Amino acid sequence: EAQVTQNPRYLITVTGKKLTVTCSQNMNHEYMSWYRQDPGLGLRQIYYSMNVEVTDKGDVPEGYKVSRKEKRNFPLILESPSPNQTSLYFCASSLDSGRPDEQFFGPGTRLTVL
Amino acid sequence: AQKVTQAQTEISVVEKEDVTLDCVYETRDTTYYLFWYKQPPSGELVFLIRRNSFDEQNEISGRYSWNFQKSTSSFNFTITASQVVDSAVYFCALSEARDSSASKIIFGSGTRLSIRP
Repeated sequence: EAQVTQNPRYLITVTGKKLTVTCSQNMNHEYMSWYRQDPGLGLRQIYYSMNVEVTDKGDVPEGYKVSRKEKRNFPLILESPSPNQTSLYFCASSLDSGRPDEQFFGPGTRLTVL
Repeated sequence: AQKVTQAQTEISVVEKEDVTLDCVYETRDTTYYLFWYKQPPSGELVFLIRRNSFDEQNEISGRYSWNFQKSTSSFNFTITASQVVDSAVYFCALSEARDSSASKIIFGSGTRLSIRP
């Protein structure tokens, strides 16, 4: 089944404790992206990647890191989480091949930073 | 800079009414792509439509239709004869295509649509 998976789905952590949210897609998509969703703000793009070893900042990259060592994986790293990073996070992928395409979204990760 | 405005935060209508969700965008590029996504109460995000800036034809898919007007920078979404299952948050999104490659994607803040039986 074609899908984007994220783990964990729910996470409660404390300020400053490094964490990684994994994202994996099995559709051989080039473009992958991370978003955070907050009430009243919609989805805001954190980072995106157009292919292996190619990543770029979205609108809200501060406090986050990503890597794209393999085409299928795009982990989101919070080196020192803070309470303002409490949010619902979505990973997405799309075929793209040079033009923006339909994105397939993962199920979301609800993160709480105490 | 890119911007997407969905001025309607919440809309509530009675079943079978028609409803239009507004989307206004800003971009400096002549080549760009517009999208609509649906987020039902279960939380997943579902793609509805993509439109590029060179294709101003309106599109109809069943009870759904989209009106793209470059003159007013709008890409509005109409649901005809609404049903309770249409209740969801709807997001409009914009992506500029620079140098023939994908770039970042900007979403609007969403419109929460409630359809009352």
